[in-house]
Amino acid sequence: DQQVKQNSPSLSVQEGRISILNCDYTNSMFDYFLWYKKYPAEGPTFLISISSIKDKNEDGRFTVFLNKSAKHLSLHIVPSQPGDSAVYFCAASVQGAQKLVFGQGTRLTINP
Amino acid sequence: EAGVAQSPRYKIIEKRQSVAFWCNPISGHATLYWYQQILGQGPKLLIQFQNNGVVDDSQLPKDRFSAERLKGVDSTLKIQPAKLEDSAVYLCASSLGQGWSSEQFFGPGTRLTVL
Repeated sequence: DQQVKQNSPSLSVQEGRISILNCDYTNSMFDYFLWYKKYPAEGPTFLISISSIKDKNEDGRFTVFLNKSAKHLSLHIVPSQPGDSAVYFCAASVQGAQKLVFGQGTRLTINP
Repeated sequence: EAGVAQSPRYKIIEKRQSVAFWCNPISGHATLYWYQQILGQGPKLLIQFQNNGVVDDSQLPKDRFSAERLKGVDSTLKIQPAKLEDSAVYLCASSLGQGWSSEQFFGPGTRLTVL
C-alpha cells in the first residue's frame, strides 16, 4: 500500500533550466508535505515543506505546489544547478502524528 | 551544532546472525526515529521514541527487531536473527518533538548487507 508515490525514478535536466519533480498521494488525511534531498552516503536533509492550508510555498530557488483535489504536489527548482543533483524524496504526514510516509524518490541529474 | 551520529557506517553479516546499530541524536531532541530504507524505496518508519517511551512501533517486525532508548538520549536497534531481506540502510533521525511540523534531522545511516 504505497500512500505516497513518485512515479519518475529519474530525471535529467540541463543546468539553468527548470526541474520539476512530482509526487502523488492517496491518503486524504495527509495535511503536511515535505521534500527531502539526499546525497550519496548521507542522510536525507529537509528542503521545503507545505501545509494543506496553502497551495504554494517558496524558498529561494525552490517552490512547492500543492493540488489537494488532485492529491498531487510538485517541487520546482529554478534555475537548476549542478549541486542540485541528488535523490529527492517527497514525504507526507497527518497532523500531530509526526510520522512521515516517504515516496520512493526521484534521482535528479543536472547536466552542465 | 553536532548532527545525528550513527555507527557503524557499514556492516556485513550472514543470515541468522545478530547485529546492532547505535544512534546518538542531536542534543536536546526529545524525539528519535529509526527508519529502514531498502534499495530503490523511500525510508520506512520502524519505531518512534518520545524521550524513552515508544510512540509508534507499528511497522517494527517485533519477532526479530528490537529497539531501546533507555535514558532518553542515545538508542540501539537490534536485529536477531537477520534475514536476507533485512539488507538495507538503517537511518536514525531526531527532532525537537515540539509540534507536528517539527523538522526531522537524519544521520548518515548504517548500510547493512545480509549474505
